[in-house]
Amino acid sequence: GENVEQHPSTLSVQEGDSAVIKCTYSDSASNYFPWYKQELGKRPQLIIDIRSNVGEKKDQRIAVTLNKTAKHFSLHITETQPEDSAVYFCAASKRGSSYKLIFGSGTRLLVRP
Amino acid sequence: SQTIHQWPATLVQPVGSPLSLECTVEGTSNPNLYWYRQAAGRGLQLLFYSVGIGQISSEVPQNLSASRPQDRQFILSSKKLLLSDSGFYLCAWRVADERYGYTFGSGTRLTVV
Repeated sequence: GENVEQHPSTLSVQEGDSAVIKCTYSDSASNYFPWYKQELGKRPQLIIDIRSNVGEKKDQRIAVTLNKTAKHFSLHITETQPEDSAVYFCAASKRGSSYKLIFGSGTRLLVRP
Repeated sequence: SQTIHQWPATLVQPVGSPLSLECTVEGTSNPNLYWYRQAAGRGLQLLFYSVGIGQISSEVPQNLSASRPQDRQFILSSKKLLLSDSGFYLCAWRVADERYGYTFGSGTRLTVV
């Protein structure tokens, strides 16, 4: 089945710097790749997603890139702010198989003021 | 609009006691439903999913069971809780379309003592 690996497990950046989180997936049939942000004690919230027919997607300070050939995708956060501090999860899914999402292990991002 | 309700928010139960967590979705029909567990500081482990009434698939052998008695109701149960059942339980729903992500419920923090 699908396996998603996520790196790094922790990331500390200075406020205003950029942060990059990377994920690789194993199933070449996967075609949907969302990113979730989870603040302490809260539910994961979808922040951005990308489908396999697109190579890059941006939403203000957040962007996601997808390399289907290499089977990896990345989250980019520019001009980081303290409120960006959270755990970020990547995920992958494909048509069928109950449309379940397979999640990466998470990245704890700390933005230092 | 669609909403997902999950309760209770927190629960402290003794070892050996039963468990029942409930999740309901409003504003959609025939959703795909999922139960995840998150141990403290860890990732999201898929426990069960359901693509229709009475249809339950288990991802991980364990001390828990799930049921879907109605289209928009998903229940997680245990007859006898173990200490290892402690964690943050999240219900999620998704349309049967790989182009869209999950929406998570607010979660139940279960502590088995």
